[in-house]
Amino acid sequence: QKEVEQNSGPLSVPEGAIASLNCTYSDRGSQSFFWYRQYSGKSPELIMFIYSNGDKEDGRFTAQLNKASQYVSLLIRDSQPSDSATYLCAVIKRGLGNEKLTFGTGTRLTIIP
Amino acid sequence: KAGVTQTPRYLIKTRGQQVTLSCSPISGHRSVSWYQQTPGQGLQFLFEYFSETQRNKGNFPGRFSGRQFSNSRSEMNVSTLELGDSALYLCASSPGITPGGFTGELFFGEGSRLTVL
Repeated sequence: QKEVEQNSGPLSVPEGAIASLNCTYSDRGSQSFFWYRQYSGKSPELIMFIYSNGDKEDGRFTAQLNKASQYVSLLIRDSQPSDSATYLCAVIKRGLGNEKLTFGTGTRLTIIP
Repeated sequence: KAGVTQTPRYLIKTRGQQVTLSCSPISGHRSVSWYQQTPGQGLQFLFEYFSETQRNKGNFPGRFSGRQFSNSRSEMNVSTLELGDSALYLCASSPGITPGGFTGELFFGEGSRLTVL
């Protein structure tokens, strides 16, 4: 079983709709959760992080965490063509000097104009 | 502020050769991590260095090694290259020590794309 699992997609969403990206993780010791965005041919960049159960909103983005179900999601409201990218879910087990992110394989999102 | 710089950007090697990749982190960042990215496996953690010491290591064979210099610049080396080593190698930097611990934000370079023939 992979530590972090994502549906590879592609996920196609009409412009203006809500895009929902999902991620599950296997290690209950995981404490921090991150969403990175990677445009084609570019390097990943952090867009959201969440540490506590519940929702966290930042502009059009909402991260949701359910530790009991070991489930993280990212919602993108009012999707724009510029949101077309691969979204990488990542987790970390916080510890002394433990700066190791474990990534999922990513979900490729396409916003259809 | 300059970003993370990786060199070379592209390189082609043949099986059995070795390769050295270089990474210059953002000024002031003391932690450098290396990841291998392939279409099938995604981003896989190789190792992380902080103040010239390897703090974390992923599940890669001993052919993959790295080091960090006193100016925080880092190199990774792959010896006896195999076809399966063809990948994008990404370097990422972070401050290393922040109040409250690592925030999870890594700043990635553009990567070094290695093709092994």
